[in-house]
Amino acid sequence: DIQMTQSPSTLSASVGDRVTITCRASQSISSWLAWYQQKPGKAPKLLIYKASTLESGVPSRFSGSGSGTEFTLTISSLQPDDFATYYCQQYNTYFTWTFGQGTKVEIK
Amino acid sequence: EVQLLESGGGLVQPGGSLRLSCVASGFTFSTYAMSWVRQAPGKGLEWVSAISGSRGNTYYADSVKGRFTISRDNSKNTLFLQMNSLRAEDTAIYYCAGLGATIFWGQGTLVTVSS
Repeated sequence: DIQMTQSPSTLSASVGDRVTITCRASQSISSWLAWYQQKPGKAPKLLIYKASTLESGVPSRFSGSGSGTEFTLTISSLQPDDFATYYCQQYNTYFTWTFGQGTKVEIK
Repeated sequence: EVQLLESGGGLVQPGGSLRLSCVASGFTFSTYAMSWVRQAPGKGLEWVSAISGSRGNTYYADSVKGRFTISRDNSKNTLFLQMNSLRAEDTAIYYCAGLGATIFWGQGTLVTVSS
């Protein structure tokens, strides 16, 4: 099974900060990685798929990079609406998905 | 517009059964692989099960294998999850999700297993 390790688990930042979250796969997943934002009581919202493709309607301050086993989600300038929990997901195995443990972005 | 609408959640006693449904619209349902993902209270996301589009090949997480059954009715654009022998640790919000060029999710349905 492919394991996904996400770091950090919690991140304290201020509005306007550049924020980076990392996700590592236990084996190569090519570019089959997605990033989600989740707010309390809501379903996960897709931000990035195929490692670096921005989902329609998602602000351009979000970007994704990486391939193989190392991936990053970057928020170029943190906005008040961005305080949430973020998850990575691998879908290299197509049917059997694995998620990272999540990163909670808190107000500093 | 792509939409997934889950239903069927509720309160059930340990050892009981529940059947979840997910009605799809806005895309050619029969051509998409579909999955169920769950989230226990205060926890992260856990993939539960998946089914291929036309052939209906099925896949399960070890935690539910032998207890849960995924199925689909392509004529009704509906995905199902039959959950038997439910345990307290199955308590979660259950989301259906589809994988195509992108990944799309429903809003979820809450399953509570408690006596």
